[in-house]
Amino acid sequence: DIQMTQSPSTLSASVGDRVTITCRASQSISGWLAWYQQKPGKAPKLLIYKASSLESGVPSRFSGSGSGTQFTLTISSLQPDDFATYYCQQYNSYWTFGQGTKVEVK
Amino acid sequence: QLQLVESGGGVVQPGGSLRLSCAASGFTFSSYGMHWVRQAPGKGLEWVAFIQSDGSNKYYADSVKGRFTISRDNSKNTLYLQMNSLRGDDTAVYYCAGASTVTRHFDCWGQGTLVTVSS
Repeated sequence: DIQMTQSPSTLSASVGDRVTITCRASQSISGWLAWYQQKPGKAPKLLIYKASSLESGVPSRFSGSGSGTQFTLTISSLQPDDFATYYCQQYNSYWTFGQGTKVEVK
Repeated sequence: QLQLVESGGGVVQPGGSLRLSCAASGFTFSSYGMHWVRQAPGKGLEWVAFIQSDGSNKYYADSVKGRFTISRDNSKNTLYLQMNSLRGDDTAVYYCAGASTVTRHFDCWGQGTLVTVSS
C-alpha cells in the first residue's frame, strides 16, 4: 500500500502569508496526486489534480508542484477564506489520503 | 451541475447493518467510477470502497473488506454501500465521491451522511 505523509500537521499563518504544504509518497506515484480543501462540517473540495492542474473556479493563488514522491501545495497570498484543512491524495495505485494539514490563524 | 446526495445514515448497534445510498444528478453517472470515503469524528479522510463505471470491478479498504459491499444501479443513477457487522470504529461521516474514468481524480462529492455505531 502507498502511504502519504503530509507536513506540517498544523500551520499557523497570517493573511497575506505565502503558505507551503508538503506531501510525500512512500513510492513513486508519477503525477497522480490531488489536493483538497475541507472546512468544518463540509465535504472536501478539489483544488489541484494531476499534481499541478488547477481545478476550474479555484483561485490562482493556489498552485501545486512535484512528481514521483515529493509534492507541494502553495498558497501565494493567504486569504481569510483559506483557513481550512488540506489533504493530499494519491490515485496512482488505489487511493490514499494524507493525514491533513490544518491552516490556522496565527 | 454535478450533484451527489447521500442518505441512509443513522444510529445502529454494534453488529448491526445499514445501507447508504448516493443519488447522482447533473452528469453522466454511468461514465464515472464511484467511491465511498469516510471521516471519523475529528479525524482525516479514509478511502473505503470503489466501483467501476459499469460495476465490473470493486475494491475495498482492508478495514471494511468482507463486511461492506459497494454496488450501483446506473438506471437509477444511484450508488450504494451495504454495511454489515458494524463496529464502533465505523462511526464516521460517509461521503460518496465521483471520479471521471478519464481523469480519475474525485471531482464531485456529496454532503455526507453520519453513521453512528453505538449501543
